[in-house]
Amino acid sequence: NAGVTQTPKFQVLKTGQSMTLQCAQDMNHEYMSWYRQDPGMGLRLIHYSVGAGITDQGEVPNGYNVSRSTTEDFPLRLLSAAPSQTSVYFCASRWTGSDNEQFFGPGTRLTVL
Amino acid sequence: SQQGEEDPQALSIQEGENATMNCSYKTSINNLQWYRQNSGRGLVHLILIRSNEREKHSGRLRVTLDTSKKSSSLLITASRAADTASYFCATDTGGFKTIFGAGTRLFVKA
Repeated sequence: NAGVTQTPKFQVLKTGQSMTLQCAQDMNHEYMSWYRQDPGMGLRLIHYSVGAGITDQGEVPNGYNVSRSTTEDFPLRLLSAAPSQTSVYFCASRWTGSDNEQFFGPGTRLTVL
Repeated sequence: SQQGEEDPQALSIQEGENATMNCSYKTSINNLQWYRQNSGRGLVHLILIRSNEREKHSGRLRVTLDTSKKSSSLLITASRAADTASYFCATDTGGFKTIFGAGTRLFVKA
Protein backbone atom coordinates (compact mmCIF):
# COMPACT_ATOMS: atom_id res chain seq x y z
CA ASN A 1 0.00 0.00 0.00
CA ALA A 2 1.20 3.51 -0.82
CA GLY A 3 -0.77 4.99 2.10
CA VAL A 4 -1.54 8.69 1.69
CA THR A 5 0.11 10.40 -1.26
CA GLN A 6 0.24 14.10 -2.05
CA THR A 7 1.28 15.99 -5.16
CA PRO A 8 3.08 18.19 -5.82
CA LYS A 9 5.78 18.21 -3.14
CA PHE A 10 6.66 21.85 -3.77
CA GLN A 11 4.79 24.66 -5.51
CA VAL A 12 5.36 28.37 -6.03
CA LEU A 13 2.43 30.53 -7.03
CA LYS A 14 1.91 34.19 -7.73
CA THR A 15 -0.77 36.11 -5.87
CA GLY A 16 -4.14 35.57 -7.51
CA GLN A 17 -3.30 32.27 -9.18
CA SER A 18 -5.36 29.19 -8.50
CA MET A 19 -4.23 25.63 -8.13
CA THR A 20 -5.25 22.22 -6.82
CA LEU A 21 -3.32 20.15 -4.31
CA GLN A 22 -3.88 16.47 -4.86
CA CYS A 23 -4.37 13.85 -2.15
CA ALA A 24 -5.06 10.17 -2.57
CA GLN A 25 -5.24 7.20 -0.22
CA ASP A 26 -5.46 3.49 -0.94
CA MET A 27 -6.65 2.27 2.48
CA ASN A 28 -10.37 2.67 1.75
CA HIS A 29 -10.70 5.20 4.58
CA GLU A 30 -13.97 7.07 4.75
CA TYR A 31 -12.54 10.09 6.55
CA MET A 32 -10.08 12.46 4.91
CA SER A 33 -8.87 15.87 5.96
CA TRP A 34 -6.62 18.77 4.99
CA TYR A 35 -4.42 20.68 7.42
CA ARG A 36 -2.03 23.55 7.05
CA GLN A 37 1.07 23.99 9.19
CA ASP A 38 2.74 27.35 9.55
CA PRO A 39 6.33 27.67 10.84
CA GLY A 40 6.68 26.68 14.49
CA MET A 41 3.02 25.88 14.81
CA GLY A 42 0.73 22.92 14.98
CA LEU A 43 -1.70 21.83 12.32
CA ARG A 44 -4.91 23.70 11.64
CA LEU A 45 -7.84 21.89 10.05
CA ILE A 46 -9.00 23.39 6.75
CA HIS A 47 -11.69 20.98 5.49
CA TYR A 48 -12.65 17.40 6.05
CA SER A 49 -14.81 14.72 4.48
CA VAL A 50 -16.56 11.70 6.00
CA GLY A 51 -17.22 10.02 2.68
CA ALA A 52 -17.74 10.55 -1.02
CA GLY A 53 -20.00 13.53 -1.62
CA ILE A 54 -19.77 14.79 1.98
CA THR A 55 -17.47 17.62 3.01
CA ASP A 56 -17.43 20.16 5.82
CA GLN A 57 -15.40 23.09 7.06
CA GLY A 58 -12.65 22.98 9.64
CA GLU A 59 -11.01 25.80 11.59
CA VAL A 60 -9.60 27.81 8.68
CA PRO A 61 -11.67 27.13 5.52
CA ASN A 62 -11.62 30.57 3.91
CA GLY A 63 -9.89 30.68 0.55
CA TYR A 64 -10.07 26.91 0.02
CA ASN A 65 -12.54 24.57 -1.66
CA VAL A 66 -12.75 20.80 -1.53
CA SER A 67 -14.77 18.07 -3.16
CA ARG A 68 -14.92 14.31 -2.67
CA SER A 69 -16.14 12.45 -5.71
CA THR A 70 -14.44 9.16 -4.83
CA THR A 71 -13.36 7.46 -1.62
CA GLU A 72 -9.73 7.61 -2.70
CA ASP A 73 -9.27 11.26 -3.68
CA PHE A 74 -9.69 14.52 -1.79
CA PRO A 75 -8.29 17.51 -3.71
CA LEU A 76 -7.85 20.93 -2.12
CA ARG A 77 -8.36 23.96 -4.35
CA LEU A 78 -6.91 27.38 -3.72
CA LEU A 79 -9.24 29.78 -5.50
CA SER A 80 -7.08 32.92 -5.60
CA ALA A 81 -3.77 32.43 -3.83
CA ALA A 82 -2.62 34.97 -1.26
CA PRO A 83 0.75 35.28 0.55
CA SER A 84 -1.05 34.34 3.78
CA GLN A 85 -1.60 30.88 2.28
CA THR A 86 2.13 30.21 2.20
CA SER A 87 2.37 27.08 4.32
CA VAL A 88 2.92 23.35 4.35
CA TYR A 89 -0.24 21.42 3.58
CA PHE A 90 -0.91 17.94 4.91
CA CYS A 91 -3.60 15.52 3.90
CA ALA A 92 -4.66 12.76 6.27
CA SER A 93 -7.08 9.85 6.32
CA ARG A 94 -8.53 7.40 8.82
CA TRP A 95 -11.47 5.14 9.44
CA THR A 96 -14.58 7.11 10.42
CA GLY A 97 -14.64 6.23 14.12
CA SER A 98 -12.71 8.91 16.01
CA ASP A 99 -10.75 6.32 17.99
CA ASN A 100 -8.68 5.61 14.92
CA GLU A 101 -5.25 6.97 14.12
CA GLN A 102 -4.82 9.37 11.26
CA PHE A 103 -2.36 8.56 8.51
CA PHE A 104 -0.63 11.60 7.08
CA GLY A 105 0.80 12.29 3.67
CA PRO A 106 4.30 13.76 3.23
CA GLY A 107 3.03 17.30 2.69
CA THR A 108 3.06 19.96 -0.01
CA ARG A 109 5.21 23.04 0.60
CA LEU A 110 3.44 26.02 -0.98
CA THR A 111 4.90 29.48 -1.42
CA VAL A 112 2.75 32.36 -2.64
CA LEU A 113 4.67 35.38 -3.87
CA SER B 1 -8.10 28.93 18.62
CA GLN B 2 -6.23 25.69 19.13
CA GLN B 3 -7.62 23.19 21.58
CA GLY B 4 -4.36 21.72 22.82
CA GLU B 5 -1.39 23.61 24.18
CA GLU B 6 1.89 21.80 24.74
CA ASP B 7 4.45 22.61 27.39
CA PRO B 8 7.36 23.13 27.17
CA GLN B 9 7.71 24.60 23.69
CA ALA B 10 11.21 23.15 23.45
CA LEU B 11 13.15 20.56 25.44
CA SER B 12 16.80 19.55 25.21
CA ILE B 13 18.06 16.45 27.04
CA GLN B 14 20.91 13.95 26.97
CA GLU B 15 20.52 10.52 25.46
CA GLY B 16 19.31 8.08 28.09
CA GLU B 17 17.33 10.67 30.05
CA ASN B 18 13.55 10.74 30.22
CA ALA B 19 11.55 13.40 28.39
CA THR B 20 8.19 14.65 29.63
CA MET B 21 5.84 16.79 27.58
CA ASN B 22 2.52 18.17 28.74
CA CYS B 23 -0.66 19.07 26.93
CA SER B 24 -3.59 21.10 28.20
CA TYR B 25 -6.92 21.47 26.46
CA LYS B 26 -10.06 23.49 26.93
CA THR B 27 -13.19 21.44 26.29
CA SER B 28 -14.42 17.91 26.97
CA ILE B 29 -12.87 15.31 24.72
CA ASN B 30 -13.54 11.82 23.41
CA ASN B 31 -9.88 11.00 23.11
CA LEU B 32 -6.44 12.55 23.02
CA GLN B 33 -3.70 11.50 20.64
CA TRP B 34 0.01 12.10 20.45
CA TYR B 35 1.89 12.41 17.17
CA ARG B 36 5.55 12.78 16.24
CA GLN B 37 6.86 14.85 13.35
CA ASN B 38 10.41 14.58 12.13
CA SER B 39 11.76 17.69 10.48
CA GLY B 40 10.03 18.39 7.19
CA ARG B 41 7.99 15.20 7.27
CA GLY B 42 4.39 14.20 7.88
CA LEU B 43 3.04 13.30 11.29
CA VAL B 44 3.18 9.79 12.67
CA HIS B 45 0.63 8.55 15.19
CA LEU B 46 2.16 7.42 18.50
CA ILE B 47 -0.63 6.64 20.92
CA LEU B 48 -4.31 7.33 21.62
CA ILE B 49 -5.89 7.54 25.05
CA ARG B 50 -9.66 7.59 25.50
CA SER B 51 -11.42 9.91 27.91
CA ASN B 52 -12.24 7.01 30.27
CA GLU B 53 -8.60 5.90 30.45
CA ARG B 54 -6.03 7.35 32.83
CA GLU B 55 -2.79 5.81 31.63
CA LYS B 56 -1.51 3.98 28.60
CA HIS B 57 1.83 2.46 27.63
CA SER B 58 3.42 1.66 24.31
CA GLY B 59 7.04 0.57 24.34
CA ARG B 60 9.05 3.46 25.81
CA LEU B 61 6.03 5.76 25.75
CA ARG B 62 3.75 6.41 28.69
CA VAL B 63 0.74 8.68 28.37
CA THR B 64 -1.45 9.90 31.20
CA LEU B 65 -4.75 11.73 31.02
CA ASP B 66 -6.40 13.79 33.74
CA THR B 67 -9.81 14.88 32.49
CA SER B 68 -10.53 16.85 35.68
CA LYS B 69 -7.52 19.06 34.94
CA LYS B 70 -7.97 18.80 31.17
CA SER B 71 -4.36 17.77 30.76
CA SER B 72 -2.22 14.96 29.44
CA SER B 73 1.45 14.10 29.60
CA LEU B 74 3.72 12.09 27.32
CA LEU B 75 6.77 10.45 28.87
CA ILE B 76 9.53 9.04 26.69
CA THR B 77 11.86 6.88 28.76
CA ALA B 78 15.54 6.24 28.00
CA SER B 79 15.51 8.70 25.12
CA ARG B 80 17.61 8.20 22.01
CA ALA B 81 18.99 10.63 19.46
CA ALA B 82 16.42 9.22 17.03
CA ASP B 83 13.64 10.58 19.29
CA THR B 84 14.61 14.11 18.23
CA ALA B 85 11.42 15.47 16.68
CA SER B 86 8.40 17.64 17.36
CA TYR B 87 5.60 16.09 19.38
CA PHE B 88 1.98 17.17 19.09
CA CYS B 89 -1.09 16.40 21.10
CA ALA B 90 -4.42 16.32 19.28
CA THR B 91 -7.90 16.20 20.75
CA ASP B 92 -11.11 14.77 19.39
CA THR B 93 -14.29 16.24 20.84
CA GLY B 94 -16.68 13.72 19.32
CA GLY B 95 -17.32 15.48 16.06
CA PHE B 96 -15.14 15.00 13.07
CA LYS B 97 -12.54 17.59 13.95
CA THR B 98 -9.20 16.60 15.40
CA ILE B 99 -7.53 19.73 16.77
CA PHE B 100 -3.77 19.94 17.20
CA GLY B 101 -1.63 21.90 19.62
CA ALA B 102 1.46 23.88 18.68
CA GLY B 103 3.86 21.09 19.67
CA THR B 104 6.97 20.50 21.76
CA ARG B 105 10.34 20.39 20.01
CA LEU B 106 12.48 17.68 21.58
CA PHE B 107 16.23 17.57 20.99
CA VAL B 108 18.11 14.55 22.31
CA LYS B 109 21.87 15.01 22.42
CA ALA B 110 24.01 11.95 21.76
